[in-house]
Formats: sequence, C-alpha cells, structure tokens
Amino acid sequence: AQSVTQPDIHITVSEGASLELRCNYSYGATPYLFWYVQSPGQGLQLLLKYFSGDTLVQGIKGFEAEFKRSQSSFNLRKPSVHWSDAAEYFCAVGAERDDKIIFGKGTRLHILP
Amino acid sequence: DTGVSQDPRHKITKRGQNVTFRCDPISEHNRLYWYRQTLGQGPEFLTYFQNEAQLEKSRLLSDRFSAERPKGSFSTLEIQRTEQGDSAMYLCASRQAGEQYEQYFGPGTRLTVT
Repeated sequence: AQSVTQPDIHITVSEGASLELRCNYSYGATPYLFWYVQSPGQGLQLLLKYFSGDTLVQGIKGFEAEFKRSQSSFNLRKPSVHWSDAAEYFCAVGAERDDKIIFGKGTRLHILP
Repeated sequence: DTGVSQDPRHKITKRGQNVTFRCDPISEHNRLYWYRQTLGQGPEFLTYFQNEAQLEKSRLLSDRFSAERPKGSFSTLEIQRTEQGDSAMYLCASRQAGEQYEQYFGPGTRLTVT
C-alpha cells in the first residue's frame, strides 16, 4: 500500500539553527516526491519536488531535500531557520500513472527566538 | 496571477443540513482535485476531474458526497445530510495534464458541523 510516514509530529528549533524534517515513503512505482508547507489558515504551498535526475533538490525559501532510494526517504533540510518558517510541513508522494497525491500526517515546526 | 480560489472560506452548518462548496481552478488547468483535511492529519484525496469527466473517486467519498464540474471549469462539492464527522478543511487543487505533476492548491473551505 502507498504510504508516507513523517515520524516527528512536532519539532522545535531555535532561530538560526539547522533543520531536518524526516520523511519515509512506501510506493510500488517510481515515486514523485513533494514537500508542502501550510501556515495557519492558509492553503498548501509547494516547497520543492523530485521527479527524476539529481537526488538533491533545491526549493524555495532556502529549503532543500535529498532523495535516497535505498532508504525510501526524502528528508527536508534548511541550514538556518527563520521565525517565519514556523508552520506545518507535509511530505507527499505521487506517480505519473496515479493522479492523486498521498500525504503524510505532517510535522509542525516551532521556532524559539 | 489568479490562483485556485475557493468559496466560501468558512461554513458553519447544523447537522443534517446540505452544504455546497465551489472551487475555481487556474484557468488553463484541465485537472481539478478535491481533498479533505481533518485536524492533525494530512490532506486525503477525495476525487478528481479531467475537464468535466470525474475520473476517480476515493472510498472516503460516501453517497452523501457529490462533486461536479459541469463545463470543465469550476467545480462544486456538495455534502448532503451533514454529520459532525464531516467537519474538516476541504481543499481544491488543479494542474495542467502533461506537465510535471505539480498540483496548485486553493486556500480551502473550513466546514464546521454543529
């Protein structure tokens, strides 16, 4: 069955510290992978996506993610977080022949001043 | 840039009432998706359209739910005889078929059933 696991429900980091949010997926086909961010009361904004090619993907707002097929992982990273990064982050998986996206349950990021 | 829009943004209704939500996709997008997001969960796929054709429906979409996209542009999602368990954020997304898969999401409609 297709699934996405985000093992951390909440993460708290200090402003200026580095960040890594974990994501593991289970998918039978070659996956397309996404990270979305959702601020309170807002819709989902795409941070970055992986379809093929270079396994290190750069996104908006200084985020990057690395696809590791052997570990079925697609972790999101940022070298230095800002207070405005506080939000909920969703990892998601899809495939070319399966038009829906499967989302993880999300990781809520809290930033300490 | 007129992204995906949804109306209303918030809806409070009493149990047993019918509600209808509207989604206007990005104008050149021919695929339109509905998702539901409950508290503490990620969005869950409900259904999607290519133009006016409804191509897939999730098992989450009970008989009380119906979605339409009559002219291949905007879409409506109707819930009949609402239940408290229907309280959720209903998200709409769209994309152009053939492009690399990115779905653009609207702000959502938050439904509260009392």
